[in-house]
Amino acid sequence: EAGVVQSPRYKIIEKKQPVAFWCNPISGHNTLYWYRQNLGQGPELLIRYENEEAVDDSQLPKDRFSAERLKGVDSTLKIQPAELGDSAVYLCASSSYGPWGEQFFGPGTRLTVL
Amino acid sequence: AQTVTQSQPEMSVQEAETVTLSCTYDTSENNYYLFWYKQPPSRQMILVIRQEAYKQQNATENRFSVNFQKAAKSFSLKISDSQLGDTAMYFCAFMKGETSGSRLTFGEGTQLTVNP
Repeated sequence: EAGVVQSPRYKIIEKKQPVAFWCNPISGHNTLYWYRQNLGQGPELLIRYENEEAVDDSQLPKDRFSAERLKGVDSTLKIQPAELGDSAVYLCASSSYGPWGEQFFGPGTRLTVL
Repeated sequence: AQTVTQSQPEMSVQEAETVTLSCTYDTSENNYYLFWYKQPPSRQMILVIRQEAYKQQNATENRFSVNFQKAAKSFSLKISDSQLGDTAMYFCAFMKGETSGSRLTFGEGTQLTVNP
C-alpha cells in the first residue's frame, strides 16, 4: 500500500513569491492534516480536513495561507506571499475514521524562503 | 489547551543498552491518547507506540515500552537493546479522544544517538 505522497520534497523561493504544496493521502483515508515543523521543534497543526470540509483551521494564518481539498482526496496548501518566517518543513498526514485513527505522515516539503 | 514538554533535547546511548526518554504533559481532558513518534533524518514521522489514557496497563511494542503515570501526567519511553537504527528525533505527542480524528500536540523532541 502506498503511503502519503507529497511534492515537491524541497522548494527554495524568494520572499513575496507564492508557493504551493501538494499532498495525496493514503487511499480511503477521509481525514487529512497539514502540519508545519519549524527547525528544532515539533510539528504544529495548520489545518485538518474531514473529507472536503475544513474542520480545524484555527492555526492557519489566513491572511497568506490557503488550502483546499477537492473531492475529498488530494490537497493543496498555498502561501501567498511567502515571508522569511515561513521557512519550515510542511508535513501532510492522513488517517481513517475512528476515535484515534493512526496518523500516517508523508516525507514533508522543506521550504526555504530567501 | 494541551501542552507537551520534553526536557531532554539530546541523549546518547551505547548499542545494546537501555535508554529512557522523558515526557510530561498538561491537560484537563479525561479521554485522550499519548504517542511516541520517531523522525529519522528522512523526516518521515513513524509511530513507535501509543497509550490510551483509560488503560492502566503500560503499552509495549517489542523493544519499546512506556511508563504512563496518569496522576503525575508523565509518559516516558524506554528503549531496550538499543540499535543503531534507533538513532532519530523522538517526539512525544498528545491527542484528545474524539469521535473522529483530532490534532496531535507535539513536544519539542529529543535527539537520540545510539553509538556503536
